[in-house]
Amino acid sequence: DVKVTQSSRYLVKRTGEKVFLECVQDMDHENMFWYRQDPGLGLRLIYFSYDVKMKEKGDIPEGYSVSREKKERFSLILESASTNQTSMYLCASSSLGQGRFYEQYFGPGTRLTVT
Amino acid sequence: SQKIEQNSEALNIQEGKTATLTCNYTNYSPAYLQWYRQDPGRGPVFLLLIRENEKEKRKERLKVTFDTTLKQSLFHITASQPADSATYLCALDSGAGSYQLTFGKGTKLSVIP
Repeated sequence: DVKVTQSSRYLVKRTGEKVFLECVQDMDHENMFWYRQDPGLGLRLIYFSYDVKMKEKGDIPEGYSVSREKKERFSLILESASTNQTSMYLCASSSLGQGRFYEQYFGPGTRLTVT
Repeated sequence: SQKIEQNSEALNIQEGKTATLTCNYTNYSPAYLQWYRQDPGRGPVFLLLIRENEKEKRKERLKVTFDTTLKQSLFHITASQPADSATYLCALDSGAGSYQLTFGKGTKLSVIP
């Protein structure tokens, strides 16, 4: 079974703090993704990575950065947390498979509250 | 711009009936379409993938159809059970060579005993 784990289920941070969200997958997947999910807006892609040290912006990268130093680990960084970054953050991974990627496996999510 | 619409935000059905969820898209030419289930407070879980050259796919009580002319997918749960209550998301790849999936906002299904 693919397992994607996220460092925290719940996190409360203050405005202006630097926040690190960590994601680890154990299936040697090439692709990893960070989403945020908000009521009425659905899942929105922040950043993704298709290889170590590679990253690409998703639909809403502003205010976020990412790091992928090892294949199994993908970190999301909020450089200076703001209240509008309060959200559920979901990490996912997928395999390259025949030149196209297939289903994504999600972690349990981190509910971040910025006060 | 690319757009995915899941027509109902919420759908209530009686236990034992067939639930049908709809996913429509515009300005896409996806190679495949996927359906996920999400329970409250949890990450989505992959259910089914259907390729552009497949009309229909089945897995146990689940059936997905994919009509690239209508730009629509239908997701059916037959003999629905209260345990099927969840939010169901459709997702499409963003086109040839893309690593991205774009998700619909989901339909919340409630199966009433």
